[in-house]
Amino acid sequence: DVKVTQSSRYLVKRTGEKVFLECVQDMDHENMFWYRQDPGLGLRLIYFSYDVKMKEKGDIPEGYSVSREKKERFSLILESASTNQTSMYLCASGHSLGYTFGSGTRLTVV
Amino acid sequence: KQEVTQIPAALSVPEGENLVLNCSFTDSAIYNLQWFRQDPGKGLTSLLLIQSSQREQTSGRLNASLDKSSGRSTLYIAASQPGDSATYLCASYGSGNTGKLIFGQGTTLQVKP
Repeated sequence: DVKVTQSSRYLVKRTGEKVFLECVQDMDHENMFWYRQDPGLGLRLIYFSYDVKMKEKGDIPEGYSVSREKKERFSLILESASTNQTSMYLCASGHSLGYTFGSGTRLTVV
Repeated sequence: KQEVTQIPAALSVPEGENLVLNCSFTDSAIYNLQWFRQDPGKGLTSLLLIQSSQREQTSGRLNASLDKSSGRSTLYIAASQPGDSATYLCASYGSGNTGKLIFGQGTTLQVKP
């Protein structure tokens, strides 16, 4: 089975901090995604990547950046965390035959 | 732009009932459609994937169908159990096989003992 691992289950960060959320997959998938999930708003796509060093903006990229230096790892970076970035962050990996999600990172910015 | 809608937003049924969850999409040129389950505070677990050339997929008590011409997919749950209580999400791949998952808002199901 495909395994998608998000480095932290819960994180608490201070406003203005630079935050790194890490996602690692073990199936050599080309496609990786970062979503955030908020009550009443559903899953919203932040960034996605189709290959190493390739990235595309999703629907809500403002305040975020990403890095994909190796195929298995896709990092989401909050350049200067703000309280409105408090959310559940979900990483996904896969291809046209299906996607697998990580367990999620619950980020709280105080 | 593809839009995915799930109705109803919430559903409460007694244990043992058969039920249908609905998912509709605006662009019929989808590549695949995937159903997920999410328990509170957890990630998404894949339930079923239907490729565009298929009409349905089955796994245990779950059956998902896809009708591209009408822009609809349904998830049928037979003999519901309290353990089925969760939020169910459908996601279509963006048109043109971009591999971009577009989600509905989900249906939150409660199965009462």
